[in-house]
Amino acid sequence: EAQVTQNPRYLITVTGKKLTVTCSQNMNHEYMSWYRQDPGLGLRQIYYSMNVEVTDKGDVPEGYKVSRKEKRNFPLILESPSPNQTSLYFCASSPHGPYGYTFGSGTRLTVV
Amino acid sequence: AQTVTQSQPEMSVQEAETVTLSCTYDTSENNYYLFWYKQPPSRQMILVIRQEAYKQQNATENRFSVNFQKAAKSFSLKISDSQLGDTAMYFCAFMRVQGGSEKLVFGKGMKLTVNP
Repeated sequence: EAQVTQNPRYLITVTGKKLTVTCSQNMNHEYMSWYRQDPGLGLRQIYYSMNVEVTDKGDVPEGYKVSRKEKRNFPLILESPSPNQTSLYFCASSPHGPYGYTFGSGTRLTVV
Repeated sequence: AQTVTQSQPEMSVQEAETVTLSCTYDTSENNYYLFWYKQPPSRQMILVIRQEAYKQQNATENRFSVNFQKAAKSFSLKISDSQLGDTAMYFCAFMRVQGGSEKLVFGKGMKLTVNP
């Protein structure tokens, strides 16, 4: 089944404790992206990657890191999480072109 | 920068009725793509329908259709014969395809409730 797999689905952590949210796709898509969803703000892009070893900032990159060492994986790293990073996070992938995204099932992150 | 506006934060409709969700956008581009995504309580993001700006014909997918007005920069979604399973957040999104960067810009979303 073609899909984007995100883990974990839920995560509660404490301020300052480094964490990684994993994302993997099995569709050989070139483009991958991370979004955060907050009430009243919609989805905002954090980082994106056009291909292996090519990443760039989205609209809200502060406090996040990403890497794209393999085509299928695009992990999101929070090196020192803060409470304002409490949010619902989505990973998405797409082939190049105007096809829209396939989304992962989301990660609900709470930073206390 | 492109912006997407969904002015109605919330709507409700009776089962079997028709409802229209509004969306406007701002861009100086001539070639772009527009999408509607649905997010049910399961929180999964599901693509509902897609429209190419260069096509005058409005896209349709079963009970879902759009009214695309390029000059007015308007992209509304019509849901016919509403079903309880249509209860969800709906997001309008804009995509400019340039140089391999397929960035989706989302509106803030609209909560639709279908009542029995």
